[in-house]
Amino acid sequence: TQLLEQSPQFLSIQEGENLTVYCNSSSVFSSLQWYRQEPGEGPVLLVTVVTGGEVKKLKRLTFQFGDARKDSSLHITAAQPGDTGLYLCAGGSYNTDKLIFGTGTRLQVFP
Amino acid sequence: NAGVMQNPRHLVRRRGQEARLRCSPMKGHSHVYWYRQLPEEGLKFMVYLQKENIIDESGMPKERFSAEFPKEGPSILRIQQVVRGDSAAYFCASSPPGLAGGRTWGSGANVLTFGAGSRLTVL
Repeated sequence: TQLLEQSPQFLSIQEGENLTVYCNSSSVFSSLQWYRQEPGEGPVLLVTVVTGGEVKKLKRLTFQFGDARKDSSLHITAAQPGDTGLYLCAGGSYNTDKLIFGTGTRLQVFP
Repeated sequence: NAGVMQNPRHLVRRRGQEARLRCSPMKGHSHVYWYRQLPEEGLKFMVYLQKENIIDESGMPKERFSAEFPKEGPSILRIQQVVRGDSAAYFCASSPPGLAGGRTWGSGANVLTFGAGSRLTVL
């Protein structure tokens, strides 16, 4: 069974701080996706990484895919209240049609 | 282009009743996924369908739950004889033909578009 564990589960920080969210597995994935979900809404895709070691930047967000394609991280620089939400990683692999979601990290950024 | 449409957004049922949740995929999308989310948790896969065909139902409980995606009309997730433990948010996502399935994850082009979810409360 493929599992994706995210840490931390909860994170409360002040505006302007930096943070990193981790997504770890013992399984290899073809790609890792990161989603953000706001209360009462469905997840919205932020980024997809497909190559081991790949780094993608989206404004203040930096995403990295581990060299072995088993883990990923999301780093947010100078967090803002608008970054508040549930961050979900999700992995896809060749041997399954379904996208496996991580356990989630709930981020709260206080002004 | 309308996104993935789910209805109802909120549904209240008493124990023992039936719940029907509907999902209309994005225009041109032929594959539908259903996921369940409990409060403060991630999304748990339930079932993956294409038109008139269930591809993977490994996440569906063996009893009371069923899903379909007919040739015409929305995909439907049906829960019979609901119990309090069925209370959750149910999300539908769709993907286009040719960009669905395990062999396409590595392309980076296979992404799921989610609906806003249906929140089921069982009293």
